Amino acid sequence: AQSVTQPDIHITVSEGASLELRCNYSYGATPYLFWYVQSPGQGLQLLLKYFSGDTLVQGIKGFEAEFKRSQSSFNLRKPSVHWSDAAEYFCAVGARSSNTGKLIFGQGTTLQVKP
Amino acid sequence: GAGVSQSPRYKVAKRGQDVALRCDPISGHVSLFWYQQALGQGPEFLTYFQNEAQLDKSGLPSDRFFAERPEGSVSTLKIQRTQQEDSAVYLCASSLGAVETQYFGPGTRLLVL
Repeated sequence: AQSVTQPDIHITVSEGASLELRCNYSYGATPYLFWYVQSPGQGLQLLLKYFSGDTLVQGIKGFEAEFKRSQSSFNLRKPSVHWSDAAEYFCAVGARSSNTGKLIFGQGTTLQVKP
Repeated sequence: GAGVSQSPRYKVAKRGQDVALRCDPISGHVSLFWYQQALGQGPEFLTYFQNEAQLDKSGLPSDRFFAERPEGSVSTLKIQRTQQEDSAVYLCASSLGAVETQYFGPGTRLLVL
């Protein structure tokens, strides 16, 4: 079955510290992957995406993610967290061969930033 | 340019009432998606449109849920005889094509009492 796992439900980091949010997927088809961020009461904002090519992708707000096919992972990183990064983060996976674009989302990771 | 818009932003319904949720996609986007997000969960796929054609409705939880996009632009998600378990945020997304970046609206928060 297709699934996306975000093992950490809640993470707290100090402002200025580095961050890594984990994402593992189980998918039969060749995947494409996204990270979205959601602030309270808001929709999902795209942080970055991987379709093909370079497995290290850069996104907005200083975020990056690395696609590791052998580990079925797409972890999100940021070298120095800002207080405004506190939000909920979702990893999502789709199939490049799909004709309907259905995305499977993880459960989300809530990021809290300590001053 | 304008992003995806949804209305209403909040909807309170009594159990058994019918509701209609509207989505205005980004102009020119062929693909339109509806997702349901329960509290504390990630979004779950409901249905997909390519222009006016509903190509995938595998995620609709019951026959009380119905979606349409008659002119290939605005879409409406209708829920008949609402139940408490329908309480969730309903997200709409649009994209240039099926396997393209999906841009999400702010969602409609539905509470069924």
